Amino acid sequence: GENVEQHPSTLSVQEGDSAVIKCTYSDSASNYFPWYKQELGKRPQLIIDIRSNVGEKKDQRIAVTLNKTAKHFSLHITETQPEDSAVYFCAANVPEYGNKLVFGAGTILRVKS
Amino acid sequence: EPEVTQTPSHQVTQMGQEVILRCVPISNHLYFYWYRQILGQKVEFLVSFYNNEISEKSEIFDDQFSVERPDGSNFTLKIRSTKLEDSAMYFCASNTGENTEAFFGQGTRLTVV
Repeated sequence: GENVEQHPSTLSVQEGDSAVIKCTYSDSASNYFPWYKQELGKRPQLIIDIRSNVGEKKDQRIAVTLNKTAKHFSLHITETQPEDSAVYFCAANVPEYGNKLVFGAGTILRVKS
Repeated sequence: EPEVTQTPSHQVTQMGQEVILRCVPISNHLYFYWYRQILGQKVEFLVSFYNNEISEKSEIFDDQFSVERPDGSNFTLKIRSTKLEDSAMYFCASNTGENTEAFFGQGTRLTVV
């Protein structure tokens, strides 16, 4: 079945610096890759997603890149701010049998001011 | 903006008791999911539901678990005889189909004592 690996598990950056989180997936049938931000005790909130027909997508300070051949995708946050501090999860869908999401283990991002 | 709603927000139950977690997915969505997140861990898939039947379930979703869509709006998760290890945050999610955004409810924190 699908397996999603996420690195690093924790990431500390200085305010204004960039942060990069990387994920790999195993199922070549996956075609949808969302990134979620989760604050303590809250629901996962979608921050950006990418479908397999594109290689890059950007939304203001957030961008995601996808390499289908290598089966990896990355989240890039530029000009980080303290309010970016949270846990970030990548995920990949499994189109067969219900289109579930398989999540990575999460990255705790700390932005130091 | 439409959202997935879950009740209750927090449920405390005695080991061995039955619990029912309730969800109201977004009205035009077709796929419904339950996920679980043990404190400090990643989000794990439990079950997906489409066209009034389970389309996939994980190893976690054993005979103690069941789902139901009793009417046109509610989607419930029942745990027949709760165990201490069932303590977690349970998230309901829904979407319109393959490779579309999954909208998560705010979660039900289940504590089994």
